[in-house]
Amino acid sequence: EVQLLESGGDLVQPGGSLRLSCAASGFTFSSFAMSWVREAPGKGLEWVSGLSNGGTGTYYADSVKGRFTISRDNSKNMLYLQMNSLKDEDTAVYHCVKDRRGNWNYAGALDSWGQGTRVTVSS
Amino acid sequence: EIVLTQSPGTLSLSPGESATLSCRASQTVSKTYLAWYQRKLGQAPRLLIYGASSRATGVPDRFSGSGSGTDFTLTISRLEPEDFAVYYCQQYGDSPWTFGQGTKVEV
Repeated sequence: EVQLLESGGDLVQPGGSLRLSCAASGFTFSSFAMSWVREAPGKGLEWVSGLSNGGTGTYYADSVKGRFTISRDNSKNMLYLQMNSLKDEDTAVYHCVKDRRGNWNYAGALDSWGQGTRVTVSS
Repeated sequence: EIVLTQSPGTLSLSPGESATLSCRASQTVSKTYLAWYQRKLGQAPRLLIYGASSRATGVPDRFSGSGSGTDFTLTISRLEPEDFAVYYCQQYGDSPWTFGQGTKVEV
């Protein structure tokens, strides 16, 4: 059974930093692309960032480009999201999500989701 | 970015009836890279359909997807009690991937 367990969410001041982690199990982690998707209060789902199975290609929504960095450690079955220069509008639940495919050119159908970790940006 | 508009916002139906959910894109979805998700209260989304019409593993055949270009449909035939939930469409043909706002299927 696929399991994705996020951690690292917290209350942080604007301008601050946070690192989210996702522990994956139940599948061959190194074979699949992964993403982070967030849900802000009262808003819908927003894809934030993703990377291919090997981690060589990384992709970002314009809203976070230059501030967030996605990475993975395939030896530890871990996905990360380093979040810098946080803004109020980054407040959301962040989901770690597994893709159906490994190659980014075919990625996008998200077949397993974690329950999420809550990030609150507020002074 | 591609904006996805789902309609109706809420669909009130009874078990055994069929549901037709619409997802309209602001521009053509490349390669028909359109997915549908089901979300129940307190749970993470579940992938139902990818590539506009392919069912994900374990999804019952009462769920079917169709469409191309800018207009897509999710059909649920013979609604079961567990099908009452919120459904989202998502396009992944162009970056950034975007989601619709959801359609609630209620009793």
